[in-house]
Amino acid sequence: AQSVTQPDIHITVSEGASLELRCNYSYGATPYLFWYVQSPGQGLQLLLKYFSGDTLVQGIKGFEAEFKRSQSSFNLRKPSVHWSDAAEYFCAVGNSGGGADGLTFGKGTHLIIQP
Amino acid sequence: DSGVTQTPKHLITATGQRVTLRCSPRSGDLSVYWYQQSLDQGLQFLIQYYNGEERAKGNILERFSAQQFPDLHSELNLSSLELGDSALYFCASSVERGGDTQYFGPGTRLTVL
Repeated sequence: AQSVTQPDIHITVSEGASLELRCNYSYGATPYLFWYVQSPGQGLQLLLKYFSGDTLVQGIKGFEAEFKRSQSSFNLRKPSVHWSDAAEYFCAVGNSGGGADGLTFGKGTHLIIQP
Repeated sequence: DSGVTQTPKHLITATGQRVTLRCSPRSGDLSVYWYQQSLDQGLQFLIQYYNGEERAKGNILERFSAQQFPDLHSELNLSSLELGDSALYFCASSVERGGDTQYFGPGTRLTVL
């Protein structure tokens, strides 16, 4: 069965500093990978996705993520965080075989921005 | 705004009761997915419908059921509610039967007292 691990429950970063959120997955083939962000009281907003091709993918709000097959990782990065980036971030894996499964999510990383 | 709408935004009810949550997918999307988000279980996939037919089941309790109507909106029915059913319920939609991007609605917060 597929699974996603986000090792960091909380991360605190100073405004303007760089950010990396870790995500490791377990999946039998090449997965579909996603990062979603959830602000307090809000739904899930898609930041970026990887289906195939270039392993470095660009997303919205200045985020990027790199798919590394050898490490089974899909870490999210941002060069300079803003206070508005404070939120809960979820990594998810989907079925690349075209099958009808829902997404499997990690437990999330809570990002705190220090002024 | 993802284009997925969910009603109601909040729902407060008592144990043993039954509630219905409603979801309208993005225009053109044929798949609807339901997820439950709770503090102890995190985000869990419940069930998927594609063009009116059940397509996949996840960790959905027997007390829960769903359907997708000809106009593609979907309803999630929760019955014999327990305190532990208190959670945020999300609907997501996508174009295909599976293997593509899911767009999430704002969620319905259910509180069971």
